[in-house]
Amino acid sequence: RKEVEQDPGPFNVPEGATVAFNCTYSNSASQSFFWYRQDCRKEPKLLMSVYSSGNEDGRFTAQLNRASQYISLLIRDSKLSDSATYLCVVNMRGAGGTSYGKLTFGQGTILTVHP
Amino acid sequence: NAGVTQTPKFRVLKTGQSMTLLCAQDMNHEYMYWYRQDPGMGLRLIHYSVGEGTTAKGEVPDGYNVSRLKKQNFLLGLESAAPSQTSVYFCASSRGTGLIYGELFFGEGSRLTVL
Repeated sequence: RKEVEQDPGPFNVPEGATVAFNCTYSNSASQSFFWYRQDCRKEPKLLMSVYSSGNEDGRFTAQLNRASQYISLLIRDSKLSDSATYLCVVNMRGAGGTSYGKLTFGQGTILTVHP
Repeated sequence: NAGVTQTPKFRVLKTGQSMTLLCAQDMNHEYMYWYRQDPGMGLRLIHYSVGEGTTAKGEVPDGYNVSRLKKQNFLLGLESAAPSQTSVYFCASSRGTGLIYGELFFGEGSRLTVL
C-alpha cells in the first residue's frame, strides 16, 4: 500500500461547480498535512496547510480526519484558472523513528474546469 | 531573490555515465529534498536532509547518492545512469516541517534523459 494515495482523476467539471478531492495516508503518526497545486510543466506550489480543525481560504476548504486517516480539499465555484494537478503532502517520521522531515506526496489529482 | 536554484536544467546522458545535480537555496532553510516526477507517479522522494551534514533515504533512493556538506547546497549524484532514471528532478527546501514553517519551496526542475 502506498503511504499517501489520491484518486488520480481526471476530474472534468464546468465553471461554477463544486469539486472535492480526498487523500488517504497510511502512517497514523503523521505530523502535518498540506495541499499543493502544480500547473503543467511547472514546480508545485503550496495551496494551503491543513489544520486539525479544518480551515478555509476563499473558495478552498481543507479538512483533516485523523481517525480515518484522510485529508480533503473542497473547491467551490470553480474557475477556469483552477485547472491544475492537486497534490496532497504528508509529513512523516523517517525510518527508525528519526525526526520528521519525510515529506511524501500523493500521485496527484488532475482537475480540468471547462466553460 | 533566487530562492531555490537547480543546475543544470536539462541534460542528456548515455547509459553508464555519471552526473551530479546541484541544488542551492539562499533562504537559510534546514530541510532540503530531492524528488523525481514521472507521468502518473506524482513526486517521489529520493533523499532528504534535515540539516547540514545529514542525509536520509526517501522512497526511491536506489541508484542515487546525496551530500549536504554546506547548509545551502544539496547535491544529487547518479553514479551509473540508467534509462529508468529518465525523469524530471525537483529540489525543494523548507524552514521546518510543521504547519507554520513546513512550506516547500521548489526549484524549477531538471529534465534528465538517459539514452
